[in-house]
Amino acid sequence: SQQGEEDPQALSIQEGENATMNCSYKTSINNLQWYRQNSGRGLVHLILIRSNEREKHSGRLRVTLDTSKKSSSLLITASRAADTASYFCATDVGSFNKFYFGSGTKLNVKP
Amino acid sequence: NAGVMQNPRHLVRRRGQEARLRCSPMKGHSHVYWYRQLPEEGLKFMVYLQKENIIDESGMPKERFSAEFPKEGPSILRIQQVVRGDSAAYFCASSPPIGNNSPLHFGNGTRLTVT
Repeated sequence: SQQGEEDPQALSIQEGENATMNCSYKTSINNLQWYRQNSGRGLVHLILIRSNEREKHSGRLRVTLDTSKKSSSLLITASRAADTASYFCATDVGSFNKFYFGSGTKLNVKP
Repeated sequence: NAGVMQNPRHLVRRRGQEARLRCSPMKGHSHVYWYRQLPEEGLKFMVYLQKENIIDESGMPKERFSAEFPKEGPSILRIQQVVRGDSAAYFCASSPPIGNNSPLHFGNGTRLTVT
C-alpha cells in the first residue's frame, strides 16, 4: 500500500497542551498534505508541504517533513476543545493529483 | 461561493437496488475525485475524473460500480445491485485544473446504508 499511516491512532489531551501526530509513508512523494475531519463531515485541508520543504507553519499548526525517513509530523500548539477531530495525512503519487489517505489520528481535547 | 455539494446526505437502499450519488464540484473546478470511508477508517481512493473523461479508476471495484462526470451537470457515482458491504460514507472532492499541489475540497459526503 502507498498510503500514509498516522500514529497514534487516538490521542487525548487537556486544553492548552500541544498535540503531535505522525505520518509515515512508503514511496517517494511530490507533496504531503494534512486534513482535518469533524465527526460526520467532509475533510478540510489544513496545510501542504512540498517534498523539498522541511518545515511549514500556519497559525498554531507546524508541519515537518523528513523525506529520508518518509515521515511527517503535525504539531498543534495550545490546543483547544474545538480542535477535537480526526486528522489525516495524504500523500500524492504520480502526476495526477491523486491522494492516498491514512487511517487518521483521532484527537480529543478535553476542556 | 458554494463548496462541493453532495446529495443526498443519507441514502438507504435494500440489497439489490441501485444507489446514485451526486456531486457538484466547486465553481471553476474541473477535477473530481470519489473516496469511500468505512467507520473509523481513512478514505480509500476510488476514481478520478475530469469532464467527460475518467482519468484513473484503479480504486473502483470492477463490477457494479461506475462513475461519470458529464459535460453538463454533476458527477455521478452509481452502484448497481448494492450489497451490505457497500454501506459506507462516500466523499467527493474537487480541485482546480492547475496541476499538482492543489488541495482537495471535500463535500460532506453521502452516507449509504444497505439494509
